[in-house]
Order: sequence, then structure tokens, then C-alpha cells
Amino acid sequence: GNSVTQMEGPVTLSEEAFLTINCTYTATGYPSLFWYVQYPGEGLQLLLKATKADDKGSNKGFEATYRKETTSFHLEKGSVQVSDSAVYFCALQFSGGYNKLIFGAGTRLAVHP
Amino acid sequence: EPEVTQTPSHQVTQMGQEVILRCVPISNHLYFYWYRQILGQKVEFLVSFYNNEISEKSEIFDDQFSVERPDGSNFTLKIRSTKLEDSAMYFCASSERTSGRLSYNEQFFGPGTRLTVL
Repeated sequence: GNSVTQMEGPVTLSEEAFLTINCTYTATGYPSLFWYVQYPGEGLQLLLKATKADDKGSNKGFEATYRKETTSFHLEKGSVQVSDSAVYFCALQFSGGYNKLIFGAGTRLAVHP
Repeated sequence: EPEVTQTPSHQVTQMGQEVILRCVPISNHLYFYWYRQILGQKVEFLVSFYNNEISEKSEIFDDQFSVERPDGSNFTLKIRSTKLEDSAMYFCASSERTSGRLSYNEQFFGPGTRLTVL
């Protein structure tokens, strides 16, 4: 079936460190891929997206590239800030129909000064 | 900026009791969703709702669950007889449209209701 696997957290980094959160997917077909972020006490917010192979999504210094050959969509940021501390969710969605999102388990990121 | 709201933020109930979780989607959105996340596990799709009817539901969404849009603003999830395993964070989401063949569907999420069944 269709699924998303994320690296387990928590990930703890110092400010200005490089961040990678791994995400791989299993899908029958060609989904769109997303990263959502959840800050404490808030709902999930769309961080970035990619709708086809080799697309790179980017937002707020975060990037992820849709790699069909490795079925991956790893999240990266060159220099994290304390304000990036949150839970990050990788998700996939197929076009057509009513577009349910299929999520990974989430990865908690804690950035220390 | 418009946002999805959910009430209550935390609901504690006894096993076997009925609970209703409430959501107010963004006002011009037409598609509504419920997801849940059991502590430490994945966020799971429960149900999607459009034009006053369920459009898709997961195997989790059994006869104990129901959804309703009782007026023009609220979207509710009812659990008729709660079980211990219903304890989870429940997220409501809404979107303006569904995706076409080459586009995507951005869903906007509320902050969640934490349901604790004792």
C-alpha cells in the first residue's frame, strides 16, 4: 500500500547547524509530496511541496527534492534557528478524488542556542 | 489570516460516552477532513466530506464515527461510544478545492483536539 516513512526523532541540533530529516515513500503511482510543520500549540502548516519528480520545493530556507529513483523527499536546511523547533511531517497525496493526505509519523526537531 | 479552529482543545471522557469534536473550517472552503494521531504514531486519515456527504473514509471510520455539517460554519466529528483506543489528537482540515491532474490540494489544519478516554 501507499505509505511514508520518516526518520525517528527527536533530532537535537545547535543553532546554525545543518539539518536533514529523511523521508521515503512507497506509492503506486506518482503522488505529490509535502512537508508539513507543527509548531507548539498550533495546527499542521504546509511548509513546502513538490508535485512531480525532480521538483524542488523550498520555503523559509528549507528545501526538499522529489527523487523518484530513490522514492525520497528529504528535508534540508543549511542553518537552523531556535524558532525552527517543531514537529515535521512528510506526506503524500494523489491527485484526483478527494485527496487524502498520507503522513509519516513526524520528526521532532529541537534547536538549542 | 483565515484559519481553521477546533474546540475543545482537550476533552476527557469516560469509556462508552459520546463525544462531539467541533471544527470551524475556513469560510470559503468546500472540502473537509478529519485526521487523527495516536500518541507516537502516524497522522491517519479518517474521513473526507464534500457537498454534505462523506466522499471517502478509512477503515478506522467505523459505525461508531459520524460527521456532520449542521450549519454553514461548523463541521463535527461524533464518536458514539468511546473506547480507550480512541484516545488521540484529532485534527480537522479544510481545502478550497480538490486537485486536478497536475495540481495539488492544500489542506489547512486546525490545532487539534486531544481526546483522552479513561
